[in-house]
Amino acid sequence: EDQVTQSPEALRLQEGESSSLNCSYTVSGLRGLFWYRQDPGKGPEFLFTLYSAGEEKEKERLKATLTKKESFLHITAPKPEDSATYLCAVQATGGGTSYGKLTFGQGTILTVHP
Amino acid sequence: GAGVSQSPSNKVTEKGKDVELRCDPISGHTALYWYRQSLGQGLEFLIYFQGNSAPDKSGLPSDRFSAERTGGSVSTLTIQRTQQEDSAVYLCASSPLSGYQETQYFGPGTRLLVL
Repeated sequence: EDQVTQSPEALRLQEGESSSLNCSYTVSGLRGLFWYRQDPGKGPEFLFTLYSAGEEKEKERLKATLTKKESFLHITAPKPEDSATYLCAVQATGGGTSYGKLTFGQGTILTVHP
Repeated sequence: GAGVSQSPSNKVTEKGKDVELRCDPISGHTALYWYRQSLGQGLEFLIYFQGNSAPDKSGLPSDRFSAERTGGSVSTLTIQRTQQEDSAVYLCASSPLSGYQETQYFGPGTRLLVL
């Protein structure tokens, strides 16, 4: 069974204090790993997709990296507007039965104080 | 362009009533997914549509849950005889083709409260 574990559950940072969020996963075969941001009362907003170990992607203050067992979302010099829940999800090969469904972690609630 | 839309945004119902939740995917998107997000459970897959057919219904929690998609576009998720444990946010997502390695774009969700 595919599993995704995110840590920490919650993270409080001061503005400008860089940190990282962790996503550990177990899948039979990885088709892709996805990062989403979710603001209260809204649907998840796509950030990144990573497909193979060693891959990195960046967007503004965010950088996502991938190994064979985990992914990190690095936040550099965060601002209060980066406060949100960050969700990690995997899409498994699963033979012919996965049909692209995503298996999500529980998320990390990030709060950035001014 | 327009994103995924869902209606209603909020629904309050009494235990035992039936409810219908609607999803309008991004125009032209072939793949459509329903997920459920409840406190302490995270986001859970419910059902996947490819066009009008549903090859993966493995996430539907009971036979009270059903879904259909017509014209390869709009989808409706129906919950019969609602129970309090059905209270959650129901999210719809779409992707351009098969869904494999494609970004899934989410709608704002329908918040369902069963009293």
